[in-house]
Amino acid sequence: AQSVSQHNHHVILSEAASLELGCNYSYGGTVNLFWYVQYPGQHLQLLLKYFSGDPLVKGIKGFEAEFIKSKFSFNLRKPSVQWSDTAEYFCAVNAAGGYQKVTFGTGTKLQVIP
Amino acid sequence: EPEVTQTPSHQVTQMGQEVILRCVPISNHLYFYWYRQILGQKVEFLVSFYNNEISEKSEIFDDQFSVERPDGSNFTLKIRSTKLEDSAMYFCATAWGGDQPQHFGDGTRLSIL
Repeated sequence: AQSVSQHNHHVILSEAASLELGCNYSYGGTVNLFWYVQYPGQHLQLLLKYFSGDPLVKGIKGFEAEFIKSKFSFNLRKPSVQWSDTAEYFCAVNAAGGYQKVTFGTGTKLQVIP
Repeated sequence: EPEVTQTPSHQVTQMGQEVILRCVPISNHLYFYWYRQILGQKVEFLVSFYNNEISEKSEIFDDQFSVERPDGSNFTLKIRSTKLEDSAMYFCATAWGGDQPQHFGDGTRLSIL
């Protein structure tokens, strides 16, 4: 079974600071990787995904993530955060192929201070 | 952008009562999922559903839970006899393909008294 670890539970940054949220997964096979975001009072939204190909994936709102297979990592980055990025961020994984369940990390609450 | 719609947004129920949570998938989606998030905990998978049958379920999804797609549009989660520990946010997710990103609804907050 797959599992996901997010090491930062709560991150506080000032506007314009750079962001990197860590995500590590464990699974013996091929995986799809996702970052979802949940803004206050809203539903989970897909930020970006990795299925195959270029390990550096770009998502919406200036976010990107890099899949490093040797480290089982899929860290989320943004060069300059805005107040509107305040949200909870979830790393997620599912096994490639078929209709596989998504396994979520515990989430990281990001608070951006103006 | 099309969205997954869940109703009600908040359901308050006495322990032991039955509840039905409803989800309207995005129209061309064929794969359906229920997840839940107990307050302060991570999102957990409950069940996946495809071609009118359950394809996978977690250990949480015991005999008290059931899912169906009664009219070809709504996808429902029924909890037969609710317990206090069923209090959580329940998310429906749908995807057009089994290996595609899942789109999540706003969730139903279930409070068991």
